[in-house]
Formats: sequence, C-alpha cells, structure tokens
Amino acid sequence: EAGVAQSPRYKIIEKRQSVAFWCNPISGHATLYWYQQILGQGPKLLIQFQNNGVVDDSQLPKDRFSAERLKGVDSTLKIQPAKLEDSAVYLCASSLGQMNTEAFFGQGTRLTVV
Amino acid sequence: AQTVTQSQPEMSVQEAETVTLSCTYDTSESDYYLFWYKQPPSRQMILVIRQEAYKQQNATENRFSVNFQKAAKSFSLKISDSQLGDAAMYFCAYRRGGDMRFGAGTRLTVKP
Repeated sequence: EAGVAQSPRYKIIEKRQSVAFWCNPISGHATLYWYQQILGQGPKLLIQFQNNGVVDDSQLPKDRFSAERLKGVDSTLKIQPAKLEDSAVYLCASSLGQMNTEAFFGQGTRLTVV
Repeated sequence: AQTVTQSQPEMSVQEAETVTLSCTYDTSESDYYLFWYKQPPSRQMILVIRQEAYKQQNATENRFSVNFQKAAKSFSLKISDSQLGDAAMYFCAYRRGGDMRFGAGTRLTVKP
C-alpha cells in the first residue's frame, strides 16, 4: 500500500515570496490534515479536510495561508506572502475517517524562508 | 481545547535497558484515542502504539507498552530492551473524532 506522498521535500524561498506544497493521501482516506512543525516543537494542526470540505481551519493564518482539496483527493497548501517565521516542516497526514482511526503521515516538506 | 503535555524534552537510555516517557493530557471527554508516534531524522511520523480510552487494559506492541491512567489523564510509554534504532523524537498525541493534538515531544538518545 502506497503511503502519503508529499512534494517537494525541501524548499528555500525569500520572504514575501509565495510557495505551494502538494499532498497525495493514501487511497480511500477521507480525512486529510496539514500540520506545521516548527523546529523543536510538536506538530500543530493547520487545517483538516473531510473529503473536499473543511472541518477545522481555526489555526490557519488565513491572511497568508490557503489550502484546498479538490475532488476530495490531492491537496495543496499555499503560503503567500511567506514570512521568516513560516520556516518549518509541513506535514500532511490522512486517515480513513474521523472516528478515531490512526493517521498516516508523509515525510513532510522542510521550508526555509530567508 | 485539549492539550497534551510532555514534560521531558530529552531522555537517555543505555542499550538493552528500559526507559519510560511521560505524557499527560487535558480533556473533558470520555471517549478518545491516545497515540505514541516516533519521528526519526527522516521526519516520517511512525505510529508506535495506540490506546482506546474505553479499554482498561494497557496496550502492548512487542517491546513497547503503555501505562494508561484515565483518571489521572496520564499516558506513559515504556520501551523495554532499548535498541539503537529506537533513538528518535517521540510524540504523544490525543485524538477525538477528527481533532488530533500533539505534545512537544521527547528526544530519546540510546547509548551503546
């Protein structure tokens, strides 16, 4: 079974530039998460999708971050414009549903904003 | 909001010895799941073990076991016969429905 795929693995951009990350969840997984993990901290939930609908985006900085999950499969997370404090690893995870099943994670994208 | 606390930023264990990582959480719910994830330098979060809150029996997975104290809202991970490959960041996580929250992590070092 293929795991959660994320790209790119690494990205370096200058502040005020824009960047996009891509995630392909495990086939059949209805729930998709984007987490931000700052160095030395645990993952922080940015947004959760159930199929193609947003369930929770309360911690997403909506002035600069946006995410979509068209057709309820792949998802993209965009930052525009980036700030230095956005430097982090962005993790995508998926699970079968919301009912307490485990989440499977991708390898993440390490973003460095200079 | 549910919070997850890991009070040990770093732990160290001798190879073949046993180590326990601590985790406490705060919730008013009675039905939820708890997890321990391992994150090696590759950044891939790997599920180590999970515990259903409605089960009194502590979960066990080979060398990994938990001590789940529901009333105390405590969920510790015991690693027996530690191996060099166990060295990683360990995250405790709480999940109810779609909401999944993580602690700040504990960095485990295994000494040969």
